[in-house]
Amino acid sequence: EPEVTQTPSHQVTQMGQEVILRCVPISNHLYFYWYRQILGQKVEFLVSFYNNEISEKSEIFDDQFSVERPDGSNFTLKIRSTKLEDSAMYFCASSERHLGNTYEQYFGPGTRLTVT
Amino acid sequence: KQEVTQIPAALSVPEGENLVLNCSFTDSAIYNLQWFRQDPGKGLTSLLLIQSSQREQTSGRLNASLDKSSGRSTLYIAASQPGDSATYLCAGHGSSNTGKLIFGQGTTLQVKP
Repeated sequence: EPEVTQTPSHQVTQMGQEVILRCVPISNHLYFYWYRQILGQKVEFLVSFYNNEISEKSEIFDDQFSVERPDGSNFTLKIRSTKLEDSAMYFCASSERHLGNTYEQYFGPGTRLTVT
Repeated sequence: KQEVTQIPAALSVPEGENLVLNCSFTDSAIYNLQWFRQDPGKGLTSLLLIQSSQREQTSGRLNASLDKSSGRSTLYIAASQPGDSATYLCAGHGSSNTGKLIFGQGTTLQVKP
């Protein structure tokens, strides 16, 4: 069964460093998302992406964050200068559509980002 | 602004019991509601998706309902098993047309053998 994959599973970085989190969405999906979950808190929406453009972003997704689909399979989240409060589990998700019965979002296993 | 709340935060039941997890949302203009399972330190596994036009969905021992007028969804688990122990999350797709999901804080279920 097709699944969303994410690499790395765990990333440790020092404050101020740049990190790139990678995701391979399900191949026939057109909508891509990033969410994050700080330990013990709710899963929070960061950004949605369609047709090589950001569709919507949350207040969390400030100028330090960017997303890219560099080729036909990868979807990346870059954090330019990490802060301690960026430590969280980052989930990538994809869906075939954004409405209707093919809207269901499928999530990857997550990347645990630890900023020291 | 859509907010999603789940009650209870934690639940412990003996194996074999039927149980109901509750999810409420503030904005009745909801398109879809999706239930997920999350095992400790793991990703989210989609369990059921209920579209706006539907009232319920079933998958095996799971049944999810959606009542937009009251702003509620329930996840019913029949004949619970220890393997059902996990955190269950509901997430609403609100007025945004971009697919953004708004999550509840989850119900952590423990099924004791």
